[in-house]
Amino acid sequence: QKEVEQDPGPLSVPEGAIVSLNCTYSNSAFQYFMWYRQYSRKGPELLMYTYSSGNKEDGRFTAQVDKSSKYISLFIRDSQPSDSATYLCAMSERGYQKVTFGTGTKLQVIP
Amino acid sequence: ETGVTQSPTHLIKTRGQQVTLRCSSQSGHNTVSWYQQALGQGPQFIFQYYREEENGRGNFPPRFSGLQFPNYSSELNVNALELDDSALYLCASSDWTGDGNTIYFGEGSWLTVV
Repeated sequence: QKEVEQDPGPLSVPEGAIVSLNCTYSNSAFQYFMWYRQYSRKGPELLMYTYSSGNKEDGRFTAQVDKSSKYISLFIRDSQPSDSATYLCAMSERGYQKVTFGTGTKLQVIP
Repeated sequence: ETGVTQSPTHLIKTRGQQVTLRCSSQSGHNTVSWYQQALGQGPQFIFQYYREEENGRGNFPPRFSGLQFPNYSSELNVNALELDDSALYLCASSDWTGDGNTIYFGEGSWLTVV
């Protein structure tokens, strides 16, 4: 079993839809939770960063962490074609140390 | 832009050869990590350097080695290249002394082994 599980998709939604992306994990020592966006053939770009459990909102993006269920989510409101990319969940025991990634979910937002 | 720069951006090597990839970390960041991302997969941690010392290593063989220099820039060296080494190699920098900081990636070096 992988430490971090993420549905690879692809996920295809119409423009304006609410998108829900999810990951589960098995390592209870993870404390830092991140979402990265990666466009084709580019490096990952940090979208959201959360410490421990709770919610965090940034514009159209909301990250949720439920440590009791070992489950994290990223919601994208009013999705845009420019949101089409691969979304990687990532987590670590300490924020600046080894980060464990999911396999990524490929999202396509159709105009 | 994250301020993390990597070179070269693309390269092709023959099986058995050696390769060196380079990374300049974001200004003020003293920690550099390297990751390997195979096609369709998430990045996998190779190792991390802090103040020129290796500080953690993933499940990669010894033919993957690295260096960090006093200006915090870094190199990744891979010897005896294998076809499965074909991947995107990502450098990430962070500030060890920061408060809950996370890591920022460069655009990566695409390595193809033929």
